[in-house]
Amino acid sequence: GAGVSQSPRYKVAKRGQDVALRCDPISGHVSLFWYQQALGQGPEFLTYFQNEAQLDKSGLPSDRFFAERPEGSVSTLKIQRTQQEDSAVYLCASSAQGSNQPQHFGDGTRLSIL
Amino acid sequence: GENVEQHPSTLSVQEGDSAVIKCTYSDSASNYFPWYKQELGKRPQLIIDIRSNVGEKKDQRIAVTLNKTAKHFSLHITETQPEDSAVYFCAEDDYKLSFGAGTTVTVRA
Repeated sequence: GAGVSQSPRYKVAKRGQDVALRCDPISGHVSLFWYQQALGQGPEFLTYFQNEAQLDKSGLPSDRFFAERPEGSVSTLKIQRTQQEDSAVYLCASSAQGSNQPQHFGDGTRLSIL
Repeated sequence: GENVEQHPSTLSVQEGDSAVIKCTYSDSASNYFPWYKQELGKRPQLIIDIRSNVGEKKDQRIAVTLNKTAKHFSLHITETQPEDSAVYFCAEDDYKLSFGAGTTVTVRA
């Protein structure tokens, strides 16, 4: 089937606006992850879902960041009152059930805050 | 991530030569180590992985070795080609991935 799909691919917002980023995981994948990738760096973990349960949100930088996966499939990452330091590529990955399953990434959303 | 160190940060090789990237990790409980290739503006793509019950794994021109005692793992690319030019990331999997800082590989034609 199709790989991980993310939308939009690019998002430009003014500082202070709210944004919502969408992730469609590979069909049947139980685990879903969000990562943030700053320019020239490796991805950094934000949050993890197993089905609809958010099991780890330790990587979210502040309470302005919120993620959900209400039906255990599509996930949305929301950033409120955006700031310039939020500019980055936001990557979503999914994996099958079980430990140490390979994570497959989407193309990401490149967020630019003006 | 701070748990994984990756070297070198840049690597330039002549086409046909080999490239080696080395990573060290700190969590002795880790037992799964994937490698990703990321071309400019594209998604990280899994190219090979290794589990702690294996010391070496090979897939065509790519091989990965793991030394659990020393907490080292390495990526070896042989007979490099221009299309191997990309950023390569090692990672340690503790259900979530901790990535190294990346190695920019340039293959000179």
